[in-house]
Amino acid sequence: DIQMTQSPSTLSASVGDRVTITCRASQSISSWLAWYQQKPGKAPKVLIHKASSLESGVPSRFSGSGSGTEFTLTISSLQPDDFATYYCQQYNTYLYTFGQGTRLEIK
Amino acid sequence: EVQLLESGGGLVQPGGSLRLSCAASGFTFSSYAMSWVRQAPGKGLEWVSFISVSGGKTYYADSVKGRFTISRDNSKSTLYLQMNSLRAEDTAVYYCAKDADDLYCVGGSCYFDYWGQGTLVTVSS
Repeated sequence: DIQMTQSPSTLSASVGDRVTITCRASQSISSWLAWYQQKPGKAPKVLIHKASSLESGVPSRFSGSGSGTEFTLTISSLQPDDFATYYCQQYNTYLYTFGQGTRLEIK
Repeated sequence: EVQLLESGGGLVQPGGSLRLSCAASGFTFSSYAMSWVRQAPGKGLEWVSFISVSGGKTYYADSVKGRFTISRDNSKSTLYLQMNSLRAEDTAVYYCAKDADDLYCVGGSCYFDYWGQGTLVTVSS
C-alpha cells in the first residue's frame, strides 16, 4: 500500500499568514493527489484535486503543487474560516490512503 | 443538490454485526463509484471500501477485509456496508463518499467530491 506522510502534524499561525503543508508519498503517485479540509463534527470538503486543480467554489488563496512523491498545500493569506484540519489523499490506486492530517490552529 | 444520507449506526457488542446504508439523491447514482471512509474518535481518515458503478469491482482496506462487505442497489440509489465480526477498533464515524466525474479520475480511481454527514458506530460491551 502507498503510505502518505503529512507534515507538520500541527501548525500554529495567525490570520493573514502564508502557510504550507507538505505531503509525501511512499512511491510515485504522479499527480493523483487531493487535499481536503475538515472542521470539527463535519465531513471533509475537497479543496484541490490532481495536485494543483482548485475545486469549484474554493477560494483562490488555496493552492496545491507537486508531483511524484512530494506535494504541498499553500494558503496564501489565512482567514478565520481556514482554521481546521487538512488531509491529503492519494488516488493513484484503488487502495486509497490519506495522510494523518495537519491541524491548523490559531496562534 | 447532491445529498448522501447515512444511517444504521449504533452501539453493538464485539463480534456483532451491523449494516450501514447511504441513500443518495441529486445525481445519477448508477453512474458513479462510491466508497466508505471512517474516522475513529479524535483520529484521521481511513478509507474502508470501494465499489464500482455496477458493483462488479470491490476493494477493501486490509483492516476490514473478510469482515466487511460493500454493495449497492442502483434501483434504490443506495449504498450499503455490511459489517460482521466487529471489533472495538472499528468504532468510528462512517462516511459514504462519491467519486468525482470520470474526467478527473485515473483508471477508475478518483477523489471524493461529496461526502455524507456520517453515522457513528460504537463497538463496546
